[in-house]
Amino acid sequence: EVQLQESGPGLVKPSQSLSLTCSVTGYSITSNYWGWIRKFPGNKMEWMGYISYSGSTSYNPSLKSRISITRDTSKNQFFLQLNSVTTEDTATYYCAADTMGITLFDYWGQGVMVTVSS
Amino acid sequence: DIQMTQSPASLSASLEEIVTITCQASQDIGNWLAWYQQKPGKSPQLLIYDATSLADGVPSRFSGSRSGTQYSLKISRLQVEDIGSYYCQQAHSNPRTFGGGTKLELK
Repeated sequence: EVQLQESGPGLVKPSQSLSLTCSVTGYSITSNYWGWIRKFPGNKMEWMGYISYSGSTSYNPSLKSRISITRDTSKNQFFLQLNSVTTEDTATYYCAADTMGITLFDYWGQGVMVTVSS
Repeated sequence: DIQMTQSPASLSASLEEIVTITCQASQDIGNWLAWYQQKPGKSPQLLIYDATSLADGVPSRFSGSRSGTQYSLKISRLQVEDIGSYYCQQAHSNPRTFGGGTKLELK
């Protein structure tokens, strides 16, 4: 069974970078697509981007200048970096898997709450 | 960006009742639509993909339909374990976008 687990700091200061890791078991990240989604207080969901089986990436244009998704295939992990964060980046961050290859997510991590505050 | 307008934002229903949630896409997305359920304190779970296909392990009381650019999720007989929030997501083009969510409660 595919399992995903997010990890990273729960508190980030404004203007700093948010860095999260998604550790995957039960499926190789060299197959299909692996993404990041966040849910804001108030329940709005935002697709942030994904990294593909080949390492190519696609990002939400609203974040394009600040976001980077990378991977370490030897550890079966992928990563999110979001630069220059503000309080508006406070959200629960989920990593997720698209194992059907149709750009929706059939497996999700449990989520990690990240607060941006000084 | 494709806008997904989901309604209602909240819904109170009784056990065994039929529940319907809709999403209106701002342009043609074909069948590139998914529905997710999120129970309190849990991560989202895929319910429906390709607008009408039931994901593995999802009870048959859930169903999806499409009429043009309007998409519906139907729960045929509401059960207590169905309480939570529901989201649609278009998978047609970048950026993928979600509906605003529907919070389903028991009456």
